[in-house]
Order: sequence, then C-alpha cells, then structure tokens
Amino acid sequence: ILNVEQSPQSLHVQEGDSTNFTCSFPSSNFYALHWYRWETAKSPEALFVMTLNGDEKKKGRISATLNTKEGYSYLYIKGSQPEDSATYLCAFYGNQFYFGTGTSLTVIP
Amino acid sequence: EAGVAQSPRYKIIEKRQSVAFWCNPISGHATLYWYQQILGQGPKLLIQFQNNGVVDDSQLPKDRFSAERLKGVDSTLKIQPAKLEDSAVYLCASSLRARKPPPPNEQFFGPGTRLTVL
Repeated sequence: ILNVEQSPQSLHVQEGDSTNFTCSFPSSNFYALHWYRWETAKSPEALFVMTLNGDEKKKGRISATLNTKEGYSYLYIKGSQPEDSATYLCAFYGNQFYFGTGTSLTVIP
Repeated sequence: EAGVAQSPRYKIIEKRQSVAFWCNPISGHATLYWYQQILGQGPKLLIQFQNNGVVDDSQLPKDRFSAERLKGVDSTLKIQPAKLEDSAVYLCASSLRARKPPPPNEQFFGPGTRLTVL
C-alpha cells in the first residue's frame, strides 16, 4: 500500500485570501496525479488530471503544478471565495488509485 | 448527461447482517470503481472493473465482500456478514475507458452510500 500525504489537514482562510496545499506521493511508477474537490453533501468532482513532470493546469482561480521527480503537487486557489469551501483530494495512480486523506478548506466570508 | 447513481444513500444495519449497494455508472463508461472511505481517511479502492471483468481487487476483503458487474453496466457491492469496522461511505465512480497503457481518465463519482454498522 502506497502512502499519499496531503497537508495541511485543514485550513481556514478569509474570503479574498490566496491559499495552497500540498500532495506528496511516491516518485516511482508514476502514471498520473488527479485532484478532486468534494463539497459537503455532493459527489467528488474532478479538477485536474496531471501526467507530465512540470505540468501546470488552471481552471478559473484554481491551478495546480506537478513535480514527479520529487513526488509532489501543489494546488493553488487565488482569491478564495466561500463557494471554494470543500475537501480537496489528490489521487496518485501507479498501478491503481491511491487517495490522500484530503485538505479541508473553509473560506470565511 | 445523467451522473453516476447509487442507492441506497444511507443504510444502518447490525453487525453480522448483510447489505448490498447498487451503482449505475454514466452511460458508455467502461471502467467502474468501488471505494471505501472510513472517517478521517482517504477513499480506498476496493475493486476496479473494466466492462464486466475485474481489473484489480487486491484490497477487497474477499472473505466478506463481493462485487459483480453483470453485462458491463451497473454493479452491486455486497458485504456478508458486516462488521463494525465496515462503517464507512462507499463510493462508486466510473470513467470513460481504461487506457493501455495508463494513465486513466478522470473519474466521475456518485453521491455515495453511508453505512453504519451497530
């Protein structure tokens, strides 16, 4: 069983602040790194699928970077809004999916 | 486009009872996943199907858990008999196809079934 770690475990920020969190994963046997957002009472929703070292993806105010050689990915949220409040999960794919425990983000209006 | 459907949404049973969960993936999605998420942990893959064949079930506790995907469409996950430690959210997800070689496509998740074992 592989270890995928996310930090911080939880985060409270003020509306308008920018924030970022980390996903650490094994640097060997890498195929893909997925980011998902999971809002309370909803289904997890895919944000990004990242496959190449140095990948940078962006969707609106959310962006992500990938470093497969050192085994980490950063997720950035610029100008956080209350609707960004959710748990953000990363999933490493080597021979199967391994999820981290998530970062719970609360944006305070 | 309809999303991934799961039922029931909630289930409360006593230990040693049996329970079954149902999942209907997005139409045309070849790959189907079942995950178990215990409180405070990330989702753990239980089983992955490609059409009606099993791709990976290495983390499925086969003494009590079983899953099938007849005709390569909807799927059921069964626990028999349930234990207290099976209390969790059971998530079903589907994706368009499994690539050879990987990487896999993004997954589309259902709302999950919250199981409480008393």
